[in-house]
Amino acid sequence: AQKVTQAQTEISVVEKEDVTLDCVYETRDTTYYLFWYKQPPSGELVFLIRRNSFDEQNEISGRYSWNFQKSTSSFNFTITASQVVDSAVYFCALSSYGGGADGLTFGKGTHLIIQP
Amino acid sequence: DARVTQTPRHKVTEMGQEVTMRCQPILGHNTVFWYRQTMMQGLELLAYFRNRAPLDDSGMPKDRFSAEMPDATLATLKIQPSEPRDSAVYFCASGLSEDRAFFGQGTRLTVV
Repeated sequence: AQKVTQAQTEISVVEKEDVTLDCVYETRDTTYYLFWYKQPPSGELVFLIRRNSFDEQNEISGRYSWNFQKSTSSFNFTITASQVVDSAVYFCALSSYGGGADGLTFGKGTHLIIQP
Repeated sequence: DARVTQTPRHKVTEMGQEVTMRCQPILGHNTVFWYRQTMMQGLELLAYFRNRAPLDDSGMPKDRFSAEMPDATLATLKIQPSEPRDSAVYFCASGLSEDRAFFGQGTRLTVV
């Protein structure tokens, strides 16, 4: 069975600080996909990134970056120079076939609070 | 801009009533998912369909929940009878092959 653990229930930082959200996963699949979603107070799920298990390159998108380490089964998410608009619940998720053909296993989420 | 549409966005109902939630997947997507989000359980997969046929509904309480796809443009999730513990946000998502799933905005259900 697949499992995603987000050990940080809530993180609070002051604006402009860097913050890293941790994600550890468990799967027996040799090929799998990892995801991050953002859920702002409005409630919708905003897709941030999808990563194939064969691609261990770290990715950067603006102030967001992701560190995928197969050796430790982790897929951590860093926000650089955080802003108040980054306040949201962030979910890490896992799927076997990409997410569009099979279901996602979600972590419990990390509530990120950015204080002005 | 293609999107998954869920109706209603909010629903308040009394315990024992039937509730039907609807989802219009993105045109051309052949897989439709139903997820439920609660404070206690988080986001969990209830069921999903491929080409309108149920593929997996192991996450769904069988006694009161039912999911169907009457046609390719409509998926429904029905609860009968509803109970207060069914209060949650229900998300529909649709996808295709190895592409990612696209989520709707959710239906917030409150059963009083």
